[in-house]
Amino acid sequence: QKEVEQDPGPLSVPEGAIVSLNCTYSNSAFQYFMWYRQYSRKGPELLMYTYSSGNKEDGRFTAQVDKSSKYISLFIRDSQPSDSATYLCAMTYSGGGADGLTFGKGTHLIIQP
Amino acid sequence: EAGVAQSPRYKIIEKRQSVAFWCNPISGHATLYWYQQILGQGPKLLIQFQNNGVVDDSQLPKDRFSAERLKGVDSTLKIQPAKLEDSAVYLCASSLVVSRTTDTQYFGPGTRLTVL
Repeated sequence: QKEVEQDPGPLSVPEGAIVSLNCTYSNSAFQYFMWYRQYSRKGPELLMYTYSSGNKEDGRFTAQVDKSSKYISLFIRDSQPSDSATYLCAMTYSGGGADGLTFGKGTHLIIQP
Repeated sequence: EAGVAQSPRYKIIEKRQSVAFWCNPISGHATLYWYQQILGQGPKLLIQFQNNGVVDDSQLPKDRFSAERLKGVDSTLKIQPAKLEDSAVYLCASSLVVSRTTDTQYFGPGTRLTVL
C-alpha cells in the first residue's frame, strides 16, 4: 500500500461545475497537508496549505482535512478552463519547508468550456 | 522575486552515459530539494540539503546518483551511468524555513531527461 493514494483520473467536468479532488493516506505521522497544481511541462505550484483538521478557504478553493479518517480534499467552485491541470496532494511531518514532501500520483483535471 | 532556476530544460542521452543538472534556488533559501517525477507519478524526494549539508538522502540511488551544494547556494545533481528507468523530470525546490506552519517549497520548471 502506497503512503498516499490519489485517483489519477482523468476527471472531466463542464465549466462552472464544482470539482472535488481527494487523497487518502496511511501514515498518521503526517501533520501538514498541501495541494499543488501542475500545468503541463511546468513545476508544481502551491495552491493550499493546511495543518489542522477542518476547512480552509481561499477564493474559489477550499481544502478540507480529516485526520481521523486520513482523508483530504480540495474543492474548486465555479471551475474555469484555466483550472485544467494536474492536482497533486502532498504531505509532510514537520512543516512545508522543513522536510521533504510525500506526494500522491496527481489527478488530471479537464474543465470543458 | 526570481523563482527557482534549472538547466538544462531538456536532455537526451543514451544509457550508460552520464548527465548533470543544475539548480539555482530562490535567493536566501537555506533548504534545497531534488525530486524525481516519472511520467504519471507524483514527485519523489531524492535528496534534501540544509545550507551545504545533506539532511536526507535516503531515497537517492547512491550507486549512480550524486548531488552537491557547494557554498550553500547552487546545486548539481549527477547521474552516472544512466539507465532507461532514469527517464523522468528532475525538479528542484527551495524553501526559506522560517515557520513550520506557513513555510512552503517553491519548485523550478524541471529538467526533462530521456534515456535511450
